[in-house]
Amino acid sequence: EDQVTQSPEALRLQEGESSSLNCSYTVSGLRGLFWYRQDPGKGPEFLFTLYSAGEEKEKERLKATLTKKESFLHITAPKPEDSATYLCAVGNYGGATNKLIFGTGTLLAVQP
Amino acid sequence: DAGVIQSPRHEVTEMGQEVTLRCKPISGHDYLFWYRQTMMRGLELLIYFNNNVPIDDSGMPEDRFSAKMPNASFSTLKIQPSEPRDSAVYFCASSLDNRGNYGYTFGSGTRLTVV
Repeated sequence: EDQVTQSPEALRLQEGESSSLNCSYTVSGLRGLFWYRQDPGKGPEFLFTLYSAGEEKEKERLKATLTKKESFLHITAPKPEDSATYLCAVGNYGGATNKLIFGTGTLLAVQP
Repeated sequence: DAGVIQSPRHEVTEMGQEVTLRCKPISGHDYLFWYRQTMMRGLELLIYFNNNVPIDDSGMPEDRFSAKMPNASFSTLKIQPSEPRDSAVYFCASSLDNRGNYGYTFGSGTRLTVV
């Protein structure tokens, strides 16, 4: 069964303390690994798409990397405004349908 | 563009009542998705449309749920009759394609509480 698992469930960092979030997946027909940010009371906001192992993408203090079994979202010198839930999703394009399968997210809190 | 617009933002209803959630996608986006989010199960795809045609409704929990897209600028998700286990945040999203190449744009969601 296709599955996406994110860890940790919650992470508390001090401002400037770098860390990484993990997304591991098992899917029969991977066609992309996606990262989203979700703020309280809002819908998820698209950050990155990664397509092949070894690929990396960056946006401000965030860098996403991809291997054959997992992805990492590295946060360098985070600021309080980086506090949010970060969601990982995989594209499953097997069969007659194409869909994104989401993990349950990592809740990140950055304290000043 | 104002983004994906959902209404209402909050809905509280009694068990057994009919609930209708509404969505206006971004103009020019050919794909529209309905997701449900709960703490236990995260984001689950309920149904998606391409050019107003339902393509995959395998995520719709049961016959109490139905979705329509009468035109390119409007979609509804209806629950009849509603049950307490339907309480969740329901998101609508739209995209230029369904492979996420351009990212899905989500609305702000409708928080449904069934008492």
